[in-house]
Amino acid sequence: LAKTTQPISMDSYEGQEVNITCSHNNIATNDYITWYQQFPSQGPRFIIQGYKTKVTNEVASLFIPADRKSSTLSLPRVSLSDTAVYYCLVGEGRGGGNKLTFGTGTQLKVEL
Amino acid sequence: GAVVSQHPSWVICKSGTSVKIECRSLDFQATTMFWYRQFPKQSLMLMATSNEGSKATYEQGVEKDKFLINHASLTLSTLTVTSAHPEDSSFYICSAETLGGPVNEQFFGPGTRLTVL
Repeated sequence: LAKTTQPISMDSYEGQEVNITCSHNNIATNDYITWYQQFPSQGPRFIIQGYKTKVTNEVASLFIPADRKSSTLSLPRVSLSDTAVYYCLVGEGRGGGNKLTFGTGTQLKVEL
Repeated sequence: GAVVSQHPSWVICKSGTSVKIECRSLDFQATTMFWYRQFPKQSLMLMATSNEGSKATYEQGVEKDKFLINHASLTLSTLTVTSAHPEDSSFYICSAETLGGPVNEQFFGPGTRLTVL
């Protein structure tokens, strides 16, 4: 399973765009990149998943360069409620029994 | 999206007793469920992979005789912590995997806080 590296923490203010970058130098051809959000004492929540280039949904965008050795989660106009831990995971998206290995995650703190 | 529930949401027990935690996929069938453990201010650690109708696969260092997993149906997996001790106090989270579509996705339960006195 490819290992991921992301910043331990980030601070931001309400209304700003936040970009969290994750390194995954050993990503395999079949691997997808998935980001989860976790609030204290809750299970992780799926945010976005991608394989290459750019993916956008109603809450975030995911940018993946051509070499796929890194990815950037972009949260537009964050609010206080976006304060959480964000995990970047890499693994096969198909086939069943897809084990997820959680790294340290990035603690995002949003202030007024 | 798909919903996964856990019961109980929290439990306090005495040392030496056993505790059962249920994980249910409410609106989909899950052939594979996963159990994680999370200590305060740490990341999730995968404990085992639970497959319906077969034995669970445990990660290295996880005692299978202490953490009994039963995946009796496509919507229910249970984790039993046997002879619990204070060091087993943790946040236990399950996830259920959906199949089909371009990629598989795991949906996580809300977690169960176990405190062993």
